[in-house]
Amino acid sequence: ELKVEQNPLFLSMQEGKNYTIYCNYSTTSDRLYWYRQDPGKSLESLFVLLSNGAVKQEGRLMASLDTKARLSTLHITAAVHDLSATYFCAAPANTGNQFYFGTGTSLTVIP
Amino acid sequence: DTEVTQTPKHLVMGMTNKKSLKCEQHMGHRAMYWYKQKAKKPPELMFVYSYEKLSINESVPSRFSPECPNSSLLNLHLHALQPEDSALYLCASSQVPHSNLAGVKQYFGPGTRLTVT
Repeated sequence: ELKVEQNPLFLSMQEGKNYTIYCNYSTTSDRLYWYRQDPGKSLESLFVLLSNGAVKQEGRLMASLDTKARLSTLHITAAVHDLSATYFCAAPANTGNQFYFGTGTSLTVIP
Repeated sequence: DTEVTQTPKHLVMGMTNKKSLKCEQHMGHRAMYWYKQKAKKPPELMFVYSYEKLSINESVPSRFSPECPNSSLLNLHLHALQPEDSALYLCASSQVPHSNLAGVKQYFGPGTRLTVT
């Protein structure tokens, strides 16, 4: 079974600071997904990364993928309170639509 | 319309009950998914339907029985559940990947919070 690990599991950061969440996965997948989940809510798709070297940015979040290292990063720039949530990465198995989620990173941005 | 709807929002059932969870989407997606999510844990894939046929069953106990009556609807029939089955059940949909190299964006419903007593 594909394993997907994230670190840190918990992240508390001050507003205005930068930080990076890491996602390591165990197969040769060249696709990687990032999701956001607010407490008690469903998941929202943030980024779909489809190739080695892919970089996508939306607002204060930027995601990248290094398939050789089997590593994806989610970089947060100048954090604001609204970014407080749990962030999951997910990698697909070879079938394409069999997704395995990482352990999640619970982010709290402190004013 | 980029919405996936799920009913009911909350469900409390006894271990001898039979109930069903429903999921609906009108985005023309032909892949639909059931996930189970326990508190503070990641979603776990349960079932995948592609073109209304069950394509993936992640060794889910038979007390969970999925059904895809048409391309817009996905059901999860529940029978003789255990208290440890209490969780948030999420439905999602996406386009079917045209190859195992393609990426697909999943759209998640709001979930059904299930409590088994």
